[in-house]
Amino acid sequence: GESVGLHLPTLSVQEGDNSIINCAYSNSASDYFIWYKQESGKGPQFIIDIRSNMDKRQGQRVTVLLNKTVKHLSLQIAATQPGDSAVYFCAENMSAGGSYIPTFGRGTSLIVHP
Amino acid sequence: DTAVSQTPKYLVTQMGNDKSIKCEQNLGHDTMYWYKQDSKKFLKIMFSYNNKELIINETVPNRFSPKSPDKAHLNLHINSLELGDSAVYFCASSHLDRGYGYEQFFGPGTRLTVL
Repeated sequence: GESVGLHLPTLSVQEGDNSIINCAYSNSASDYFIWYKQESGKGPQFIIDIRSNMDKRQGQRVTVLLNKTVKHLSLQIAATQPGDSAVYFCAENMSAGGSYIPTFGRGTSLIVHP
Repeated sequence: DTAVSQTPKYLVTQMGNDKSIKCEQNLGHDTMYWYKQDSKKFLKIMFSYNNKELIINETVPNRFSPKSPDKAHLNLHINSLELGDSAVYFCASSHLDRGYGYEQFFGPGTRLTVL
């Protein structure tokens, strides 16, 4: 789900299914992208990142895809587990005077049903 | 061995008061940040600070001010608290290599409630 509207987008999946969380970013000059996971009552935690010179990067059970043409980022989680239930944020980063200023997307709530 | 720590975890106060939230990181990072997360989970950067420059989000009221006594600490001072300041505030830190971004490490958050 993309981050639009007033309510937090929600994606509900069954345990074992694959999950795809989408993100539309705003700035074509952004060159570094990060996915974060935020569990209830905790701060966001880094999952995976990708730089603009790549279109795909894989981690353990997670894959990030970057489509710069349409300014779209996705996070794929394989064999989703109940422990994956959290809010997921994409963050785009753009160099501004040498510093990187991150802008976070709206967030998507992932609910995994056992 | 907490990487980024914040105190207090909960802060309940009256409108008009002045309060501070402390943040410390032991990761050796040179850049620290403050974020505000509202009730709809929207995460908005307030400040980015390293030992050379402070970058302020222009939408942040000047009642909010970061204070960095040293590289490992970035405290947030808030004057004349308003109801709309109620939110969860997160501190974060990262390396900063100009021209090459890095992921941020977040603290556990401080839930501020203004009555």
